[in-house]
Amino acid sequence: EVQLVESGGGLVKPGGSLRLSCTVSEFTLSPDPLNWVRQAPGKGLEWVSYISSSSSYIYYADSVKGRFTISRDNAQNLLYLQMNNLRAEDTAVYYCALGIAAFEQWGQGTLVTVSS
Amino acid sequence: EVVMTQSPATLSVSPGERVTLSCRASQSVSSSFAWYQQKPGQRPRLLIYGGSTRASGVPARFSSSGSGTEFTLTISSLQSEDFAVYYCQQYISWPRTFGQGTRLDI
Repeated sequence: EVQLVESGGGLVKPGGSLRLSCTVSEFTLSPDPLNWVRQAPGKGLEWVSYISSSSSYIYYADSVKGRFTISRDNAQNLLYLQMNNLRAEDTAVYYCALGIAAFEQWGQGTLVTVSS
Repeated sequence: EVVMTQSPATLSVSPGERVTLSCRASQSVSSSFAWYQQKPGQRPRLLIYGGSTRASGVPARFSSSGSGTEFTLTISSLQSEDFAVYYCQQYISWPRTFGQGTRLDI
């Protein structure tokens, strides 16, 4: 079974930047499509961004468009989320999730806290 | 964007009961929807996809029905480990969207 492990979360001031990483233990037959999904404290799930296996297709939620950038390094089995101009409302646990439709596998999440 | 609305927000139930959770989409998503279970402090777990297909390892007491705009998740006989928050999600269009969740409480 594929394992996803996120890292890079932490405390950052409003307007600051942070880069999250997700290590994928193995891909199935080819690099899998991947997503970032977040969950604010005590709230529900919010899809953030998607990247296809070859990085040809990338989508963002309107709430992060222009501030966040998703990327991947298939040679290293890594997924990234570069987050710039962070706001208090970006405070959440960020999960990487595998799949283009339903999200079949999830990481354990990494907490991002935006506060002065 | 497709808005997913779940009801009720919270459901108080007892072990052994049959439970039905509802999800409504603001526009048709055909069978392109999924259900997830999330226990406190844990990552979400995929339960159902394609409208009615159970994910690997999901017990047969979980079933789903519906297509278009109205969907239900049924737990035939609630077990203690089923007390959790359940989310529906559509994947017919971008952005992918989730319902706000239904919490099952004892």
